[in-house]
Amino acid sequence: QVHLQESGPGRVKPSETLSLTCTVSGASITSYYWSWIRQPPGKGLEWIGYIYYSGSTNYNPSLKSRVTISLDTSKKLFSLRLTSMTAADTAVYYCARGATYSDYWGQGTLVTVSS
Amino acid sequence: QSALTQSPSASGSPGQSVTMSCTGSSSDVGGYKYVSWYQQHPGKAPKLMIYDVTKRPSGVPDRFSGSKSGNTASLTVSGLQAEDEADYYCSSYEGTNNFDVVFGGGTKLTVL
Repeated sequence: QVHLQESGPGRVKPSETLSLTCTVSGASITSYYWSWIRQPPGKGLEWIGYIYYSGSTNYNPSLKSRVTISLDTSKKLFSLRLTSMTAADTAVYYCARGATYSDYWGQGTLVTVSS
Repeated sequence: QSALTQSPSASGSPGQSVTMSCTGSSSDVGGYKYVSWYQQHPGKAPKLMIYDVTKRPSGVPDRFSGSKSGNTASLTVSGLQAEDEADYYCSSYEGTNNFDVVFGGGTKLTVL
């Protein structure tokens, strides 16, 4: 049974950096692409980026200057770092397996940007 | 990178069929066989329903089917059931620069 679980702060202050991790169980982290996707309250899904186990990454052009996705194979987790957070970054953040399509998703974690 | 275009809403009665569309361009939907569809119930994570335009993951009822013509992909739900009421999002690879991923704005399916 593949399971993904996001963890991180539920609230960050404007201009701060968001750091989230996604712990993977039931699947080899060295065999797939791994993605981050977010959804602002009441709005649609937005792709943030993905990473391959080799370490190669691809990011949404609109977020590229602020995003870093990394992988820790020994701990079976991958991480999201998003700098210079603003209210527009308030969203449910999901981690997921896959790039062209995502067949397993975490439950999502709500991140609110507020002072 | 522009979002794919989906109609905001769709509806049908139980037992009927409904088709939802997803329009992009030759750089995304029309250019690749990498269109996927997700179902999302309120407060839940999205669930993969269709991938690679027409393929159904294990466990997804065969009432759900996908197709593509030109720059428009479609998701058809046959034999509508109450539990099909949800938001549906399409997604595609977008190859203008790197292999980016783009989502549609979503369609709210109402079962009357």
